[in-house]
Amino acid sequence: DSGVTQTPKHLITATGQRVTLRCSPRSGDLSVYWYQQSLDQGLQFLIQYYNGEERAKGNILERFSAQQFPDLHSELNLSSLELGDSALYFCASSVGERGGAEETQYFGPGTRLLVL
Amino acid sequence: EDQVTQSPEALRLQEGESSSLNCSYTVSGLRGLFWYRQDPGKGPEFLFTLYSAGEEKEKERLKATLTKKESFLHITAPKPEDSATYLCAVGLYGNKLVFGAGTILRVKS
Repeated sequence: DSGVTQTPKHLITATGQRVTLRCSPRSGDLSVYWYQQSLDQGLQFLIQYYNGEERAKGNILERFSAQQFPDLHSELNLSSLELGDSALYFCASSVGERGGAEETQYFGPGTRLLVL
Repeated sequence: EDQVTQSPEALRLQEGESSSLNCSYTVSGLRGLFWYRQDPGKGPEFLFTLYSAGEEKEKERLKATLTKKESFLHITAPKPEDSATYLCAVGLYGNKLVFGAGTILRVKS
């Protein structure tokens, strides 16, 4: 158990809908990262937040957005969903803001999203 | 473009048969190299971080090494419970972690 929690575990929805995924980092970690994992793309970095502020951006679509709240939990919002958005979405956390480079990122169990 | 390539894509071993997984990278500004283990449907589990060429780290039957262009994950006398997908990732300037596609390891008893 990494200490990172994600809810829900599974989500089934229809095209065009909007969903929110939630992540709580390990105790003491200030950075949260979001990743998408699909069969054909592997693990793709989406976005990083550090202490409430956006720090780094990867291949995140404009239909997707995220935020980190004062209690450090984070939410990833996916809107106008398409079939191709079906994937595993992982959240990770690290102590400081350099998890993309030097610090270890600890991953949560993921949310499996299925868009029908 | 920053690239991380893992080989082989899949590896089948008999219990006790040692082998190595490779992670080669073409990146600008490597800050750290990370190895993770991922079981089906679960989140990646951290194994090792390497920062400089020549560095080695060990944990049970696993040993990770790093050169200027690649990293190896050596598995000594593997057991069936070592079966998983092993992911390599490079940390870059700009706080980005780029993952390889992974090596699927199956160890048969």
